Amino acid sequence: NAGVTQTPKFRVLKTGQSMTLLCAQDMNHEYMYWYRQDPGMGLRLIHYSVGEGTTAKGEVPDGYNVSRLKKQNFLLGLESAAPSQTSVYFCASSYLPQVMNTEAFFGQGTRLTVV
Amino acid sequence: AQSVTQLGSHVSVSEGALVLLRCNYSSSVPPYLFWYVQYPNQGLQLLLKYTSAATLVKGINGFEAEFKKSETSFHLTKPSAHMSDAAEYFCAVSTPAGGTSYGKLTFGQGTILTVHP
Repeated sequence: NAGVTQTPKFRVLKTGQSMTLLCAQDMNHEYMYWYRQDPGMGLRLIHYSVGEGTTAKGEVPDGYNVSRLKKQNFLLGLESAAPSQTSVYFCASSYLPQVMNTEAFFGQGTRLTVV
Repeated sequence: AQSVTQLGSHVSVSEGALVLLRCNYSSSVPPYLFWYVQYPNQGLQLLLKYTSAATLVKGINGFEAEFKKSETSFHLTKPSAHMSDAAEYFCAVSTPAGGTSYGKLTFGQGTILTVHP
């Protein structure tokens, strides 16, 4: 059981380039989330999805777009990368909404550097 | 609005010593509280969660946390530290968003635990 898999694990982008981060889960979870982790700031929610075909903004959505065309996949896109988007990105999924006091399963993370 | 404050970005203990990682939360409604652990170059793993059934919660690897409503705290403890406990620990709070069925998981800033031989 793979759980939550993120692709790629590392990436270096030049300012202005675009890229897509892929998150795949094999647990049939309805809820999926994208976070960014920066030193001393914990994890901050970028976007989330409560089901196939639905997405919503988190607390730091600017500069990112997402899509959930299939239940098992949640894509995070950067249309025009900026150095401020240098971070470690984590995808997570859960069976119930996080409000329901349920465990969220996290991927291994994607380390992105924008130069 | 909900928030979490972890006191101390770095905590260092000797092997066999008590581990105490502090977490205070702010929430206008009864919260759900979590501790996650992150080992180097890995994702986050749930350590324990507060379910409102008991104020003292036991988790994996010998960790436990006590919910104290009067102090708005959810501190993480372990009686005897092991070298393998070295990691970063995150406290998180979740509360129902007003009028909706979704409430986000808000993380603290994290505390890096170092264990010395």
